[in-house]
Parts: sequence; structure tokens; C-alpha cells
Amino acid sequence: AQTVTQSQPEMSVQEAETVTLSCTYDTSENNYYLFWYKQPPSRQMILVIRQEAYKQQNATENRFSVNFQKAAKSFSLKISDSQLGDTAMYFCAFMTASGSRLTFGEGTQLTVNP
Amino acid sequence: GAGVSQTPSNKVTEKGKYVELRCDPISGHTALYWYRQSLGQGPEFLIYFQGTGAADDSGLPNDRFFAVRPEGSVSTLKIQRTERGDSAVYLCASSSRPRGSSYNSPLHFGNGTRLTVT
Repeated sequence: AQTVTQSQPEMSVQEAETVTLSCTYDTSENNYYLFWYKQPPSRQMILVIRQEAYKQQNATENRFSVNFQKAAKSFSLKISDSQLGDTAMYFCAFMTASGSRLTFGEGTQLTVNP
Repeated sequence: GAGVSQTPSNKVTEKGKYVELRCDPISGHTALYWYRQSLGQGPEFLIYFQGTGAADDSGLPNDRFFAVRPEGSVSTLKIQRTERGDSAVYLCASSSRPRGSSYNSPLHFGNGTRLTVT
């Protein structure tokens, strides 16, 4: 069974600054996918960024980037130039390559302050 | 519409009643997923449909929960004899994942149905 752990229940950052959200996971699989989802008050889960485990290069999507450390089973999200609209719950999630289910962490509430 | 639609947005019911939650996936998406999100937690997998059939229903907590997708598009999650512990947000997602393939397309989530059992 896979587990995903987010050890930061809450984080805050000043607008325009950089923040890093932590995530660790446990699996015996070798081929899998990792994700960061954003959930604003609307409740919709929005995909922020995705990483394939077989790729060594860290994924980047505009202001969002990850630090994927496969050996350490660590997958942190860095948000640069934080904006007020980034305020939301952020969930780290795992899926095996052949699997059908996402396993989510407990979430980190990020607040961007003006 | 362009996205996954879930109805109702909110549902309040009394303990012991039966409820149905509806999900309209993105047109053409063959894969459909149901998740349950309790307050302050991440979503938990319930069931995955590929077309009309349930490809993985191992997340359903007990036999009070059942889901159907008779025509391979709209899905209904059915909960019998509701209990207060069933109170949660029920999220639906769809993707264009082809049958038999490994994951290669993102899940698109709806806004969920908030179920409150009093």
C-alpha cells in the first residue's frame, strides 16, 4: 500500500515571495506518478503539476516547480512569486503507473498575504 | 458544459435515509472516478469506472454504498441507510484514459457534493 504524508498543516507567505510545500511518500513500486493538486474554496481539485518517477528532470509549470528526490521518496512543491490567488489547500498525491487510484496526503493550507 | 458537473452541490438528509449523488463527466471521457473527502482530510478513493463497468470498486467502505454508470457517461453514487459518518464532500473526476492502458491523462474533478447527514 502507498502512503503520502504532508507534515505542514498550514503555511503562509508574503505576496511575491517564494514558498516550499513538503511531501513524502512510501511505496515499493518503481514506476509511478506524483502530483500536486490545488483545492480552493470552490472544492474543485485543480492539477498544478505532475512528475513521472522515471524522469530525473524536475517538472516545471510557470511559477510552480518540484524537487523530486526518488531515493528519499520526497516530492516538494516550490511556488515562486506567490500571488493572492494561490491561497488554497494543496494536496500531494501518488498513483502507480498501472493503477486506477490517487492516494492523497492530508493537505497543506497555504495563505498568501498581501 | 466544459467541465465535470456534480449535482446537487449540497445535500442534507436525515440519518437512515437514501441518497443519490450525480456526476456528469466531460463528454467523451471513458474513465470516471468517485472520491470521498472528509473534513480536514485528503480525498479517498471509492470507485473507478471504465466505460459502463466498475473496474475497481475496492474503495467502497461497505455494502451501503453503490455506484452505477449504465450508459458509460453519467454516474450515480447511491448511499443507503445513511449514517452521520457518511457526511463528507463526494468528488467525481473523469479522464480520457483508454481501457487497458496505464495512466497517461490527467483527472478532471468536479466541484463535489457536500453531503450532511443529520
